[in-house]
Amino acid sequence: EVQLVESGGGLAQPGGSLRLSCVTSGLNFSRYAMTWVRQAPGKGLEWVAVISGSTTGTYYADSVKGRFTISRDNSKNTLYLQMNSLRAEDMAVYYCAKGLDITVAASDAFDIWGQGTFVTVSS
Amino acid sequence: SYELIQPPSVSVSPGQTASITCSGDELGNKYASWYQQKPGQSPVLVIHQDNKRSSGIPERFSGSNSGNTATLTISGTQAMDEADYYCQAWDSGTMVFGGGTKLTVL
Repeated sequence: EVQLVESGGGLAQPGGSLRLSCVTSGLNFSRYAMTWVRQAPGKGLEWVAVISGSTTGTYYADSVKGRFTISRDNSKNTLYLQMNSLRAEDMAVYYCAKGLDITVAASDAFDIWGQGTFVTVSS
Repeated sequence: SYELIQPPSVSVSPGQTASITCSGDELGNKYASWYQQKPGQSPVLVIHQDNKRSSGIPERFSGSNSGNTATLTISGTQAMDEADYYCQAWDSGTMVFGGGTKLTVL
């Protein structure tokens, strides 16, 4: 069974940093693009960032570009999201999700999602 | 930036057909996907590449995409289908979600 388990959420001050992790199991991790998607309380889904299976391709939403960095360690089957310069509007549940293929271009959708980790940004 | 527009809510009677639309500029030239999200749960992929059902998704779910509109159709809607539905597409290296549609089965 494929499983994605996020961790690392919690309370951060405005301007602070957090690092989210997504540990996966039950899949050949390096063969799939992975993404982070967030959802503010009571709001819709917002895409954050995506990375190819080989790590050569990364893309970001304009709202986080220059502040967030997506990365992965294929030897540890783990996806990361380094979040710097956090703002109040970054407060949300952050989900990691598995793509349908190794490249971002071929992963038109994401079929397995974790349970999410909540990030609070407040002083 | 690219936008996908969905109706905020759709209501359907049990056993009837529900249609949820998603509009975007030349959306028919892109692949559209649909996700279902029930309260307190993570999203579930329902449809990808316009009309391909994800693994385990019942046959009553179908999708289409042409022109500027993608449509998720649920035939013989059941109470368990009550949820929020989000369309999604890619545009210039950016993944875009629609605002979501709350499907009420009553």
